[in-house]
Amino acid sequence: DIVMTQSPDSLAVSLGERATINCKSSQSVLFSSNNRHYLAWYQQKLGQPPKLLIYWASTRESGVPDRFSGSGSGTDFTLTISSLQAEDVAVYYCHQYYSIPITFGQGTRLEIK
Amino acid sequence: QVQMQESGPGLVKPSETLSLTCSVSGGSINGYYWSWIRQPPGKGLEWIGYIYYSGSTNYSPSLKSRVTISLDTSKDQVSLKVNSVTAADTAVYFCARHSSTWVLDYWGQGTLVTVSS
Repeated sequence: DIVMTQSPDSLAVSLGERATINCKSSQSVLFSSNNRHYLAWYQQKLGQPPKLLIYWASTRESGVPDRFSGSGSGTDFTLTISSLQAEDVAVYYCHQYYSIPITFGQGTRLEIK
Repeated sequence: QVQMQESGPGLVKPSETLSLTCSVSGGSINGYYWSWIRQPPGKGLEWIGYIYYSGSTNYSPSLKSRVTISLDTSKDQVSLKVNSVTAADTAVYFCARHSSTWVLDYWGQGTLVTVSS
């Protein structure tokens, strides 16, 4: 199984400041035939299902604000929120869909400082 | 827009079978893969398995011996059965669709299943 490890487990950031969440996979999630990383980021607010933010490591899902961006390659990936808004308070999960079993990181709780 | 709604008993006794249905609206199940994912209260996400509209399946090794996923294309429904449940199976159960890029793009609201006598 590919183990996804996020850091930090929790994060407090002031409104308008940058928030950065890291994710490390235990092995590569790069699909060589299309040169795509099968790595996604989700946002989950209390009592709601996860919402897809980023797929292929850096492609923003339609309708997601451009303050959310994904980067990284190999086994190290980052989700960045460029200017934190109050509505961004949530738990964020990275997720690999490269191989079965599909796996998720343990989650990072983002709060307002 | 595709929407999914999970339904089923909210309380299941230990050793019995958990049965849930995911009803898909605003689109067809044809042409897509559909997964079940669960989330114990206050914890992270665990993938259970998927089914393709053709009926082929793949399950998480940790649950494979107890799980069956099936579908009814005429009703646009995907079903989940988990046998011999214990308290460790208490969770919110989500169904989700795999997009053409394979990522899980649409999720149901989830349904809480509690295993308790």
